Amino acid sequence: QKEVEQDPGPLSVPEGAIVSLNCTYSNSAFQYFMWYRQYSRKGPELLMYTYSSGNKEDGRFTAQVDKSSKYISLFIRDSQPSDSATYLCAMFNSGGGYNKLIFGAGTRLAVHP
Amino acid sequence: GAGVSQSPRYKVAKRGQDVALRCDPISGHVSLFWYQQALGQGPEFLTYFQNEAQLDKSGLPSDRFFAERPEGSVSTLKIQRTQQEDSAVYLCASSPSWGSNTEAFFGQGTRLTVV
Repeated sequence: QKEVEQDPGPLSVPEGAIVSLNCTYSNSAFQYFMWYRQYSRKGPELLMYTYSSGNKEDGRFTAQVDKSSKYISLFIRDSQPSDSATYLCAMFNSGGGYNKLIFGAGTRLAVHP
Repeated sequence: GAGVSQSPRYKVAKRGQDVALRCDPISGHVSLFWYQQALGQGPEFLTYFQNEAQLDKSGLPSDRFFAERPEGSVSTLKIQRTQQEDSAVYLCASSPSWGSNTEAFFGQGTRLTVV
């Protein structure tokens, strides 16, 4: 079993829909939870990250972390065709210094006009 | 340049051939990471440099994989005697702070196809 599980999709939604993307994890030591967007044939681009539990909002994007359930979510409001990409969750321990980043497999999202 | 630059963008190698993949990090970035991303999968950590020191190479899949960053700037990932299972996108990321993942920027990757 992988440390980070993510449904690969694909997920297809109409423009304007609310999108929910999710990951589960098994390592309770993870403290930082990150969401990346990766367009086809491009490198991952960091969207936002959260430290420990709680919610964080940035424009149309909201990240949620539930450490008790080892479950994280990314919500996209008013989705646009330009949001069509693969979304990767990633996480790592804190504790000072360098810590290895562990990625999920990514969820492919298609937003159609 | 403004971002992390990787070259070549695409590489086709015959099985058994040696390849070298280059990463030019953002100027002044002390941390440099290499990842391997297989088709339909998320990136997997290969190795980490702080300046010229390779502090973690636990993700390198075999002794055919070798990475270096001799002057603390440009890094090269070398794969000897390539195998079909080495086919993947190789991503490089750099960060201005020691070991920081939250400040890391990724390059566009090198897509390696072994035939």
